[in-house]
Amino acid sequence: AQSVTQLGSHVSVSEGALVLLRCNYSSSVPPYLFWYVQYPNQGLQLLLKYTSAATLVKGINGFEAEFKKSETSFHLTKPSAHMSDAAEYFCAVIYSSNTGKLIFGQGTTLQVKP
Amino acid sequence: DGGITQSPKYLFRKEGQNVTLSCEQNLNHDAMYWYRQDPGQGLRLIYYSQIVNDFQKGDIAEGYSVSREKKESFPLTVTSAQKNPTAFYLCASSRQGAPNTGELFFGEGSRLTVL
Repeated sequence: AQSVTQLGSHVSVSEGALVLLRCNYSSSVPPYLFWYVQYPNQGLQLLLKYTSAATLVKGINGFEAEFKKSETSFHLTKPSAHMSDAAEYFCAVIYSSNTGKLIFGQGTTLQVKP
Repeated sequence: DGGITQSPKYLFRKEGQNVTLSCEQNLNHDAMYWYRQDPGQGLRLIYYSQIVNDFQKGDIAEGYSVSREKKESFPLTVTSAQKNPTAFYLCASSRQGAPNTGELFFGEGSRLTVL
């Protein structure tokens, strides 16, 4: 079955430290990959999107993600964490551009310690 | 400002009652979606609609119903047949077709609690 897996339901980093959130997709290469962010009691907001134009994708708030076909991964990174980055992050894929149906990972909660 | 409005933000329901969650968008988007969010399970698709007067079941449609009579509106009814309705419900919309595929705009959600 087509799926996306986020490794680690909770990640904790210190302010200023590197943020790394992991995402792996199932073996068929999906046409589109995404990262969304959700702040408490709010909806989701698009961080960035991969569409095969470039393997390194830059998003909002200093985040970026790299598509690695050999590892079937699309990990999210940020060089220096800020307190305002504390949120839940979701990786998502689309396998059928006809329906546009997104498949979401389970989510990773990022905690940023002062 | 353009966006998606969900109401109510919080809703309490007694067992056996149907409830309807409202979702309105003024983004002129063709497609609209309803997701259910439970802790540790990510988002699961309930129903989606790509055009007015048409909608399709998602992965967990049982116990839910929707309508799409207007482009701007996509209400979700949680029926008494839904065995575990307590959850956070998110409505979203998007333009149709690449390069917009998958770029969803979300409302702020409705939290339903069954007493």
